Amino acid sequence: KNEVEQSPQNLTAQEGEFITINCSYSVGISALHWLQQHPGGGIVSLFMLSSGKKKHGRLIATINIQEKHSSLHITASHPRDSAVYICALRDFGNEKLTFGTGTRLTIIP
Amino acid sequence: NAGVTQTPKFRILKIGQSMTLQCTQDMNHNYMYWYRQDPGMGLKLIYYSVGAGITDKGEVPNGYNVSRSTTEDFPLRLELAAPSQTSVYFCASKKTEGGSYGYTFGSGTRLTVV
Repeated sequence: KNEVEQSPQNLTAQEGEFITINCSYSVGISALHWLQQHPGGGIVSLFMLSSGKKKHGRLIATINIQEKHSSLHITASHPRDSAVYICALRDFGNEKLTFGTGTRLTIIP
Repeated sequence: NAGVTQTPKFRILKIGQSMTLQCTQDMNHNYMYWYRQDPGMGLKLIYYSVGAGITDKGEVPNGYNVSRSTTEDFPLRLELAAPSQTSVYFCASKKTEGGSYGYTFGSGTRLTVV
């Protein structure tokens, strides 16, 4: 079974800071997803990665397949970025995702 | 488009009662999923479906049943509610297998069994 570890568990930063959230896993995967869970509970899919790097607005996601590690970066952070960020792993050959427990990000104005 | 719609948003059940959590999507997605999220834990897959008429168990299927009679609807049935089923339930959908498609989640159903 794939083990997924996110760090840090909690992160508080000032508005404008550059944010990095990490996700490490133990077994090779077919894809990794980054999700955002808002304070109200809704979940939004941010990125799906199988290799390299993706960018959407102020968010950048990278994955290193050899090191079994992914990072989510937020540039010029804003209070509206406050949420729980979750990484989820998709194994080869099945539809089951393994979810991390999330990183709770708080951006202070 | 409404995306993925879940009803109800909140529900309190007594032990032994039954209920159905509704999930509907209007994006013509083939794949649909039910997850539960317990406090401090990652989401766990209950059941999933790769198309109308096809369902399969996830990690934690005990105490639940599903059906997929149409592409749009994927209801989750709790037959005999137990306190261990107190959780937040999320329905999600995806267009197809693998590829570059992400998931669309519903807004969740918060269920309390007392």
